[in-house]
This record gives sequence, structure tokens and C-alpha cells, in this order.
Amino acid sequence: EAGVTQFPSHSVIEKGQTVTLRCDPISGHDNLYWYRRVMGKEIKFLLHFVKESKQDESGMPNNRFLAERTGGTYSTLKVQPAELEDSGVYFCASSQDPGTPIGAFFGQGTRLTVV
Amino acid sequence: GDSVTQMEGPVTLSEEAFLTINCTYTATGYPSLFWYVQYPGEGLQLLLKATKADDKGSNKGFEATYRKETTSFHLEKGSVQVSDSAVYFCALNRSGGYNKLIFGAGTRLAVHP
Repeated sequence: EAGVTQFPSHSVIEKGQTVTLRCDPISGHDNLYWYRRVMGKEIKFLLHFVKESKQDESGMPNNRFLAERTGGTYSTLKVQPAELEDSGVYFCASSQDPGTPIGAFFGQGTRLTVV
Repeated sequence: GDSVTQMEGPVTLSEEAFLTINCTYTATGYPSLFWYVQYPGEGLQLLLKATKADDKGSNKGFEATYRKETTSFHLEKGSVQVSDSAVYFCALNRSGGYNKLIFGAGTRLAVHP
């Protein structure tokens, strides 16, 4: 069984550009989460999808970030325009169990560097 | 708000040394507690968990005991191996069906032969 897959593994962009990160969850997992680790600090929750609906987006830092999950399958996280402080590692996780991340499986992350 | 505090790294040990990575938390109610590990080039993996006070989580020789009186969940291993080199994250999930994990900053462990 394939795990959670994230693309790209690493992205370097200039300040002001746009970047789109993609997450393919484990097949059949309705719950999809995005987290971010900035500058070696703690990993912080960004948002939670249940199928195609945003269940909780309280962790999204500002309106430069847009997450979508069309059709309830893969998800994208777009940053537009990117700022220097957006650099970090973006993790995606998915789980079958609703309302709890205990069984969540994480992807390897996308390292975003904004220069 | 809820938070997790881990000891800063990096922690550098020789093979077969004893490992302790401290973790304390602040949370409302009775959270579940976790240790995740990230090996180089891989995603986060759940290492162990404990869901109530005095529970001991264990896996791959690692152990952690949920101490409510000290709000701690320290990770221990009696004899580390080079293959244990990774970043370790302590995390909590609030009770009541909350859907998000709250992580500590992570502790990098480097084990040398």
C-alpha cells in the first residue's frame, strides 16, 4: 500500500513568486491534514480536510495560503505571493479515523525555501 | 493555550549509551501524548503513544511514561544504536475529539559508533 506522497520534495523560489505543493493521501483516507515546521521550530497545524470540506483551517497563517482538495482525493497548498518567512518543511498527513489524528500517516514533507 | 516543550538538541551519544529526551506539556483536560520520529529523508512516524496517566508507551526499545503529576512524557532508551539517529518530536492531542496534534520543536539525536 502506498503511503502519503508529497510533491515536490524540495522547492526553491524567489520572494513574490507562487508555489503549489501537492499531497496524495493514502487511498480511502477521508481525513487530510497539513502541518508546517518553520526554521527548526515546532511543527504547527495548518488545516484539516474531511473529504473535500475544510473541517478546521484555524492554523492557516494568512490569506496568502490557499488549500484545496477537489473531489476529496489529493490536496494542494498554494502560497501566493511567497514571503521569506514561509520557508520551512510542509507536512501532509492522512487518516481513516475521523476527528482524531492518532492514526494519521505522514508524508516525507516538502522543503520550501524562499530566497 | 496548549503547548509542548522539549529539550533542545542536538543530543550526541555514543552507541550503547542511555538516552533521555525530556518532554513536558501544558494542556486542558487529559490529552493523549505521542512521540514521533523522523529519520533522514523520511516522513514522520509514530514511535509510541500513551492515552492516560501512568500509561507507558513502548516500541523499538524506546519507552515513555505519561506522568500527570509532573506533566511530562520523557523518552528513554537503554542502549542506542547508530540507526536511532533521527529527529524526535513530542506531541499531544487534546481530549474531546480535537483533530490536531500539537508538537514540540523536535530534538535531533546523533549516535556515533
